[in-house]
Amino acid sequence: NAGVTQTPKFRILKIGQSMTLQCTQDMNHNYMYWYRQDPGMGLKLIYYSVGAGITDKGEVPNGYNVSRSTTEDFPLRLELAAPSQTSVYFCASSEVGGGYNSPLHFGNGTRLTVT
Amino acid sequence: KQEVTQIPAALSVPEGENLVLNCSFTDSAIYNLQWFRQDPGKGLTSLLLIQSSQREQTSGRLNASLDKSSGRSTLYIAASQPGDSATYLCAVNARGTDKLIFGTGTRLQVFP
Repeated sequence: NAGVTQTPKFRILKIGQSMTLQCTQDMNHNYMYWYRQDPGMGLKLIYYSVGAGITDKGEVPNGYNVSRSTTEDFPLRLELAAPSQTSVYFCASSEVGGGYNSPLHFGNGTRLTVT
Repeated sequence: KQEVTQIPAALSVPEGENLVLNCSFTDSAIYNLQWFRQDPGKGLTSLLLIQSSQREQTSGRLNASLDKSSGRSTLYIAASQPGDSATYLCAVNARGTDKLIFGTGTRLQVFP
């Protein structure tokens, strides 16, 4: 009963380094999302995917890339880390899209610090 | 542009009180509104989902209402317990999109 699994839980990056945040779900959900949460703020959508091979930008996509080669996995790539990307990153999934009233399931997050 | 606001930002109450958390949104064209709970260092857990055609949803001691025309939702927690201490976020699913727009949350502390 794993649900949505994110790795790593914590990471410290130097400015300009790259990394990939991993996200996998075992619920066979079509929709997957990446959000970031800054202190005292709500969640902002970075990218989302409605199925394998399909991705689209959210509210704050700059500085990030995603891919969706399988239904289970939705990795988030940071190419040139900047201090502004210090945040907590959440991956989420849902069975279907918003119009079908499907609740979101979240992972426990990755806390990223860029110094 | 859809905006979601939650008031108050923080709330501290004694155990046993009934309490109401508020959520407002600017565009009534939504598919649904969802309430989530977030514990420190954890992800979000879905509590209740209210479809745009519904007025309220209940789960145990939780009751969420939706007034789409006025752009408001409330989460009512009956007989609060220390275990209810967490941050509560609401989010709306804007019609025509698959995106959830989140409020900034209400941090609730229930003390014994």
